[in-house]
Amino acid sequence: GAGVSQSPSNKVTEKGKDVELRCDPISGHTALYWYRQRLGQGLEFLIYFQGNSAPDKSGLPSDRFSAERTGESVSTLTIQRTQQEDSAVYLCASSPRQGGYEQYFGPGTRLTVT
Amino acid sequence: RKEVEQDPGPFNVPEGATVAFNCTYSNSASQSFFWYRQDCRKEPKLLMSVYSSGNEDGRFTAQLNRASQYISLLIRDSKLSDSATYLCVVNMNNNDMRFGAGTRLTVKP
Repeated sequence: GAGVSQSPSNKVTEKGKDVELRCDPISGHTALYWYRQRLGQGLEFLIYFQGNSAPDKSGLPSDRFSAERTGESVSTLTIQRTQQEDSAVYLCASSPRQGGYEQYFGPGTRLTVT
Repeated sequence: RKEVEQDPGPFNVPEGATVAFNCTYSNSASQSFFWYRQDCRKEPKLLMSVYSSGNEDGRFTAQLNRASQYISLLIRDSKLSDSATYLCVVNMNNNDMRFGAGTRLTVKP
């Protein structure tokens, strides 16, 4: 079946511009995560959605970062006034159930801020 | 102490070798554990879950030691295609999944 998809696959933007990244989870997966991975580093948790519950935003690094998800469908991660340190791969993962089950990752969006 | 710690490596082993990685975690209440594999410039992919009794999948064996708070991954008869970064993932509390920084493995001919 279809896996997690993300768009765009690559995004180059100028410092100070806003960007919007999209994630389409696996159909029926209730949980959705966003991570950031800088070059050569591990995954950094950003935000978690579970169904219609309030999201866990504890990993968002600043108020320039926000994310939305409607129900159990598409999610968008928005970065406002991008900075060079925002350059990274942004990975989305979905999971079939709440509470620490296996995650399935999308291919990521490679963001470069010039 | 970091929540999830792994030896970054790199581990360089010849084909056919057996190699083992450990991963320690700080939260004794952690309930679920996983190993993921990440190839260069690709997304992580689930390799295997780690069960309390230990589990095996072909050449791969995962173990959990709750008393010492670590999980391990053993790869037997290494193949060139096993070259990747192996990520340890620990469910700290309900939805809180923490990734280790990964252990890099290179299998050489």
